[in-house]
Parts: sequence; C-alpha cells; structure tokens
Amino acid sequence: GAGVSQTPSNKVTEKGKYVELRCDPISGHTALYWYRQSLGQGPEFLIYFQGTGAADDSGLPNDRFFAVRPEGSVSTLKIQRTERGDSAVYLCASSLVGYRQDTQYFGPGTRLTVL
Amino acid sequence: ELKVEQNPLFLSMQEGKNYTIYCNYSTTSDRLYWYRQDPGKSLESLFVLLSNGAVKQEGRLMASLDTKARLSTLHITAAVHDLSATYFCAAEGTGNQFYFGTGTSLTVIP
Repeated sequence: GAGVSQTPSNKVTEKGKYVELRCDPISGHTALYWYRQSLGQGPEFLIYFQGTGAADDSGLPNDRFFAVRPEGSVSTLKIQRTERGDSAVYLCASSLVGYRQDTQYFGPGTRLTVL
Repeated sequence: ELKVEQNPLFLSMQEGKNYTIYCNYSTTSDRLYWYRQDPGKSLESLFVLLSNGAVKQEGRLMASLDTKARLSTLHITAAVHDLSATYFCAAEGTGNQFYFGTGTSLTVIP
C-alpha cells in the first residue's frame, strides 16, 4: 500500500519568506508526527497530532513554526519568516493509533534550504 | 527531556566481521526502536523492542533491550556491503514522541 508521502521533496526559499510543507500519512493512521533532521544528526521531534488536535507541540522551536491537520489526515507544517538555521530535512511520520507500542512509519522528507 | 546517545558515531568494518552498536538513554523508557537510513532516503523501521530483555533478529542484525541498564544494542554478524547505512535508535518519551540518537554511520568494506 501507499506509504507516507511528503511534498515538495525539495524547497529552496529566501530568508524571511513563508513556506508550507505537506504530509500525507498512511491511510487510516490517526497519529501524525513532524521531525526535523539536520545534517549528521538524528531526527528531532517537533509536534505530534492525534486526529485533528496537536497532542504535543513541545518540540516546535519558536512561534514561527505552526502545524495543522484540519481533517485528521493531511498535515501542513508552516514556517514564517524563515531563517537560514531552519534549513534541514523535515520528516513526517504516521502511526496507526499513536499509543505506545505503535511503530512510526516515515515519509521521504522535504529538504528545506533557506538562502 | 530524554537523551539518547549512540556509539560509535562512525564504524568502518570489513565484510565478514562482527560488531555491536550501543544505544544508551537517560531516563526511563521501556520502548526502544531501531531504524536504518540510506543516504538521501528516509528512515526504515528495523526493530521494535517493547520490554526488558526483548531480543529480536532479522538476518545479520540482532537487537536487544535492557531497560534496567537503559541500554540497547544492535549486533551485526558477518557484515556484508549491503548493510552500509546509518543506524538510529530511538527511545519513546511519555508523550509518544521519539527521541533519536545521533546515528551510527556504518561502512562495510569488501
């Protein structure tokens, strides 16, 4: 079946611009996660959705970052006034129910480059 | 916040040899996951370890979990070139988010 998909695969933007990154989870998965991976590092947790609501947004670095999942499926990560330090690969993952013991399946990521 | 450390960070090994990657985590977590990442690709789930003493094996890879020592190991037996990749462990926090280690970059030399 189809896995987690993310668009775009690459995004180049200028400092100060606004960007949106999209994630389509595996069909039927109620939990959705966003991570950020910098070069040579492991993924860093940003936010976790259970259904339509953000169950944990403690990983968002500041108020320039925001994410939504209005219908409990597709999610959009929004970054305002981008900075060069935001450059990274943004990974999305989904899992069936989001409770413990539930494997997360990762998408291919969106590589964001802020010039 | 849960801290996860892996070592070594870089590992170069000859084909046919055995080696172990270590994953230590800082606070209680009884769920530990191992992922593989190829260059430019996303993470592929390898093992899910759900309890103390859990051991899982797939091909030349075997993972184990000791929750009392807060330690998981990934053992590689008779390495082959196809195993070259970066391996991440992740411990699950109380809020269902994963905390990843910095990864172990494995290169298997013919």
